Amino acid sequence: EPEVTQTPSHQVTQMGQEVILRCVPISNHLYFYWYRQILGQKVEFLVSFYNNEISEKSEIFDDQFSVERPDGSNFTLKIRSTKLEDSAMYFCASDLIAGETQYFGPGTRLLVL
Amino acid sequence: ILNVEQSPQSLHVQEGDSTNFTCSFPSSNFYALHWYRWETAKSPEALFVMTLNGDEKKKGRISATLNTKEGYSYLYIKGSQPEDSATYLCAIRGGAQKLVFGQGTRLTINP
Repeated sequence: EPEVTQTPSHQVTQMGQEVILRCVPISNHLYFYWYRQILGQKVEFLVSFYNNEISEKSEIFDDQFSVERPDGSNFTLKIRSTKLEDSAMYFCASDLIAGETQYFGPGTRLLVL
Repeated sequence: ILNVEQSPQSLHVQEGDSTNFTCSFPSSNFYALHWYRWETAKSPEALFVMTLNGDEKKKGRISATLNTKEGYSYLYIKGSQPEDSATYLCAIRGGAQKLVFGQGTRLTINP
């Protein structure tokens, strides 16, 4: 069964460093998302992406964040200068039709020291 | 602001017992409700997408109901098994594409 994959599973970085989180969505899907869960809090939406552009973003998704679909398979989230409060589990998701089931990857646990 | 609440936050159930838990949401600005099952270190697994008031969905021993007028959904597990231990997440879509999640119900099945 097709699945969303994410790499790395864990990443530790120093405050101020740039990180890139990678996702491979399900191959025929058209809509792509990033969510995150800070420990002990709810899963929260960051950004949605369709047709090579951001379709919606949350207040969290400020200028430090960017997303890209550099080729036909990968979908990346870049954090330019990480802060301690960026420590969280980051989930990628995709769906074929907006509003239908979003399929999630296993997440990347990011720890900023 | 769309706020989704789940209760209880955690639940311990004896193997073989049936259980249920709740997702509450504002009844206005509702488009769809999603249930996910999330085991540690795995991807959240989609269980149901529900849109219509009165919807009932079933997948094996798990079923869900939806009441959009009063703003709640119940998830039921019949005859709990150890493999049902997981966090169950409810999320609402309020018209846009994004999902707004509740805090989850952590279910532990005691053998």
